[in-house]
Amino acid sequence: DQQVKQNSPSLSVQEGRISILNCDYTNSMFDYFLWYKKYPAEGPTFLISISSIKDKNEDGRFTVFLNKSAKHLSLHIVPSQPGDSAVYFCAALNYGGSQGNLIFGKGTKLSVKP
Amino acid sequence: NAGVMQNPRHLVRRRGQEARLRCSPMKGHSHVYWYRQLPEEGLKFMVYLQKENIIDESGMPKERFSAEFPKEGPSILRIQQVVRGDSAAYFCASSPQVADSYGYTFGSGTRLTVV
Repeated sequence: DQQVKQNSPSLSVQEGRISILNCDYTNSMFDYFLWYKKYPAEGPTFLISISSIKDKNEDGRFTVFLNKSAKHLSLHIVPSQPGDSAVYFCAALNYGGSQGNLIFGKGTKLSVKP
Repeated sequence: NAGVMQNPRHLVRRRGQEARLRCSPMKGHSHVYWYRQLPEEGLKFMVYLQKENIIDESGMPKERFSAEFPKEGPSILRIQQVVRGDSAAYFCASSPQVADSYGYTFGSGTRLTVV
């Protein structure tokens, strides 16, 4: 039973345009949602997060939106750059669950074309 | 300030052998987590440890897999009698306390290939 779902395995975007990566979840008890970026042969690196009590968090070109009623969040990258090409993982954190372990989606591979 | 260090980066084992994966957390981090990424899959939680204690091993297979985080030295993920299905990337992560809005810091992973 997947608690965090990323239904698009891949996304291709032109440089300079907006990239929108989506994530759905099933557990309304999650406290934080995080986005990680992963390059091949490297570990995931933290990108941005949002508390469950917020609906938007922005950091430079990256903005995360949270829609609690729809149990949906999205990551917007504007403008997209070729260096953004990577796999993006959505993750959720539940302090009341298993001592705070992160639950990851399957990832979305973003390709930004010059 | 070194990050999370994992070694080896690549490990090849024949079926039936043992695999030992090591993880040194970031300085000051006392919480260690192991995740596994199978081909075409996301990151699956395996185990969460603090020094000398297993806090949560709900994601770890009941047989052949074990983990430890001794008082001194790195955390070790041990897989006995490996099978082809164990081939995956194994990532270790650490945090200074129970994870917060920054989540965990991950290492570069160990890629295990069972032949």
